[in-house]
Amino acid sequence: AQSVTQLGSHVSVSEGALVLLRCNYSSSVPPYLFWYVQYPNQGLQLLLKYTSAATLVKGINGFEAEFKKSETSFHLTKPSAHMSDAAEYFCAVSGSSNTGKLIFGQGTTLQVKP
Amino acid sequence: DTAVSQTPKYLVTQMGNDKSIKCEQNLGHDTMYWYKQDSKKFLKIMFSYNNKELIINETVPNRFSPKSPDKAHLNLHINSLELGDSAVYFCASRLGGGSTDTQYFGPGTRLTVL
Repeated sequence: AQSVTQLGSHVSVSEGALVLLRCNYSSSVPPYLFWYVQYPNQGLQLLLKYTSAATLVKGINGFEAEFKKSETSFHLTKPSAHMSDAAEYFCAVSGSSNTGKLIFGQGTTLQVKP
Repeated sequence: DTAVSQTPKYLVTQMGNDKSIKCEQNLGHDTMYWYKQDSKKFLKIMFSYNNKELIINETVPNRFSPKSPDKAHLNLHINSLELGDSAVYFCASRLGGGSTDTQYFGPGTRLTVL
């Protein structure tokens, strides 16, 4: 079985500061891991994904994440926050390459202060 | 062109009514999903079809019935609506497995049951 835990339901940073959103996973099989972003009243947009290739994954909008098997983590980072980054962020794991079933974390709201 | 579209975007109805939500994707994908996002923004898989065949059927009330007339469409019918069905319902479609594994989400349908 798979599960995802996102530490911190709310994260607040100043504009220009480092963004760090934490995600830990549990999976009985080699996982595929994803970060999605949801802007208010919109659907989910894929930021980046890990599918067993390079452990450091670069995504859109300057975000990146590092898969660390020893720590069962897949934390999302961005060196410098922009006001436009304010949104809800979801980490997800898929342990089934057949069905692609995604198990989501509870989400982290990112607030960016001017 | 919208990749994954849902209709309607908003749905307000009374308890006990029956309603349907429609989803269409023009990406040529074989697999489609329904997810439910509750008031705390938690996302949970409900159903999935692969080329018109049901492959995921999570523990949801049998008042919910998905139907896939062809691989580009996945509809969700809900009978005898209850207050607890109020949520945002997202449709998604999936591009393959392996390194290309990605789900594309629709804009969501906000269902409010009064």
